[in-house]
Amino acid sequence: DVKVTQSSRYLVKRTGEKVFLECVQDMDHENMFWYRQDPGLGLRLIYFSYDVKMKEKGDIPEGYSVSREKKERFSLILESASTNQTSMYLCASSLHPPPNSWRPQHFGDGTRLSIL
Amino acid sequence: AQKITQTQPGMFVQEKEAVTLDCTYDTSDPSYGLFWYKQPSSGEMIFLIYQGSYDQQNATEGRYSLNFQKARKSANLVISASQLGDSAMYFCAMKGPAGNQFYFGTGTSLTVIP
Repeated sequence: DVKVTQSSRYLVKRTGEKVFLECVQDMDHENMFWYRQDPGLGLRLIYFSYDVKMKEKGDIPEGYSVSREKKERFSLILESASTNQTSMYLCASSLHPPPNSWRPQHFGDGTRLSIL
Repeated sequence: AQKITQTQPGMFVQEKEAVTLDCTYDTSDPSYGLFWYKQPSSGEMIFLIYQGSYDQQNATEGRYSLNFQKARKSANLVISASQLGDSAMYFCAMKGPAGNQFYFGTGTSLTVIP
């Protein structure tokens, strides 16, 4: 089974701090994703990486950056945390699919981040 | 623009009955994938079932089936013989051709009543 591990289940930080959320997957997946989940809004894509050192912005990248130095690890960075970044953060990974085919994403357990 | 629409914020179903969770999508790409995920109260997202836009038959996985109506752009999830453990949030999602095109709906909360 695919295992996606997020470093923290719960995290409390202060406004203005630099926050790192770590995600590791053990199935050699090329693609990795960071989402935030808010009530009534579903999941929104923050950043996507399709290879080491490669990244693409999702729908809501403002205030965030990412790092992918190794294939198995994808880090989300809140450069200067603000209260509106209080949310549930979900990491996911997936294989590159063959043409006209698809692969599901496999998710970690999520990190509930509170910015005070 | 909203890509995935789930119009049922909450649903109730009697144990052992079948339930349909609605999902409509919006895309102009001919190639896409549709997914359903389950999120129990513990928070993890669990992949349930997948349908490709070129698939001729509706996908099935155990008690889950996907009612794919391409012309209507709908991809409803049918859960047969509901169990108490099916109580959770259910999310419909669509994958487009580009790597970062993965859209989720706002979810439907399903409660199974004993």
